[in-house]
Amino acid sequence: DGGITQSPKYLFRKEGQNVTLSCEQNLNHDAMYWYRQDPGQGLRLIYYSQIVNDFQKGDIAEGYSVSREKKESFPLTVTSAQKNPTAFYLCASTPRGPGELFFGEGSRLTVL
Amino acid sequence: SQQGEEDPQALSIQEGENATMNCSYKTSINNLQWYRQNSGRGLVHLILIRSNEREKHSGRLRVTLDTSKKSSSLLITASRAADTASYFCATMNSGYSTLTFGKGTMLLVSP
Repeated sequence: DGGITQSPKYLFRKEGQNVTLSCEQNLNHDAMYWYRQDPGQGLRLIYYSQIVNDFQKGDIAEGYSVSREKKESFPLTVTSAQKNPTAFYLCASTPRGPGELFFGEGSRLTVL
Repeated sequence: SQQGEEDPQALSIQEGENATMNCSYKTSINNLQWYRQNSGRGLVHLILIRSNEREKHSGRLRVTLDTSKKSSSLLITASRAADTASYFCATMNSGYSTLTFGKGTMLLVSP
């Protein structure tokens, strides 16, 4: 079945550690996105990529990094520079254009 | 930056009743979309309405858009317990590159 797979679903990290969240899609979509969701805050855009080997910062990119080496993959690294990384992270994709977003099931990161 | 703001923040109704959620936004848009999120899950797209459209239907869903007031509403008719979820509006910017989400309305439908 086509879709977006995020892993891991739950992740615990000690302060000062970097962690990478995986996002893979087999929908042949050009554009991919990372959002962060905090309780009562809705979704905030971290990074997005409209084409392989290119990506742009969203509203809250500080403390995060991404890569887009393959069309189907858009991993997000939460670095130790991110001051408050505990959150629910959502990956999404869309064919080129202003259509609907297809979301993964999310990764919940907790910093201990 | 938060573009859309949903109202109310929470809504509690009985099965069979209609549920109406509102969304206001600040800048010009190309389209407005509504999404649903069950607790702890990813978002699911419900409906998209373009800036030149005023009303759209999909099953039990009815969406209206008033660009002069920069507002939209989502009506769910004959609600079911399975409709319990959070509902988000999202606006597409003029560059067609990103969606900006509101904070959502949490809907509880009691049997």
